[in-house]
Amino acid sequence: EPEVTQTPSHQVTQMGQEVILRCVPISNHLYFYWYRQILGQKVEFLVSFYNNEISEKSEIFDDQFSVERPDGSNFTLKIRSTKLEDSAMYFCASSEIADPYEQYFGPGTRLTVT
Amino acid sequence: AQSVTQPDIHITVSEGASLELRCNYSYGATPYLFWYVQSPGQGLQLLLKYFSGDTLVQGIKGFEAEFKRSQSSFNLRKPSVHWSDAAEYFCAVGARQAGTALIFGKGTTLSVSS
Repeated sequence: EPEVTQTPSHQVTQMGQEVILRCVPISNHLYFYWYRQILGQKVEFLVSFYNNEISEKSEIFDDQFSVERPDGSNFTLKIRSTKLEDSAMYFCASSEIADPYEQYFGPGTRLTVT
Repeated sequence: AQSVTQPDIHITVSEGASLELRCNYSYGATPYLFWYVQSPGQGLQLLLKYFSGDTLVQGIKGFEAEFKRSQSSFNLRKPSVHWSDAAEYFCAVGARQAGTALIFGKGTTLSVSS
């Protein structure tokens, strides 16, 4: 069964550094999403992406964050100048045109900022 | 404000007993409704969804959920719990628009005792 994959599974970085989290959505999906879950808190939406543009973004998704689809298979989340409070599990999701409301989630990348 | 409430943080159920996980939502219009499950180290897996029609929906792994518009609820049920059902369960709502955010509850952790 096709699945969303994410790399790395765990990333440790120092405060102020830039990180790039990578996702490979399901191959025929065209809607892409990033969510995050701070430990002990709810899963929060960051951004959605369609047709090479941001469709929707939350208040969390400020200038520190950016997304890109650098090629036909990858979808990335870049976090510039990381802060301690960016430590969280980051989930990528994707959905297809035929059923855009059903989002398929990846296993997540745990980001630890020290 | 749009929100999802899962009143039970942690529930313990005996194996073979029935289960009901509660979910209430606050949303401007009737949203799409979802239940996801997350096992340790895994991503979020969709259990079931409600878009329209029959208010009792069947999902994978023997789960079902009932949408009650008057109560703004979408409770998840299973008649007989198995030890492998131990996981975290998330209720989510989404707009009836492709590519938009899912709003999640804080989740309910299910433990299964033998």
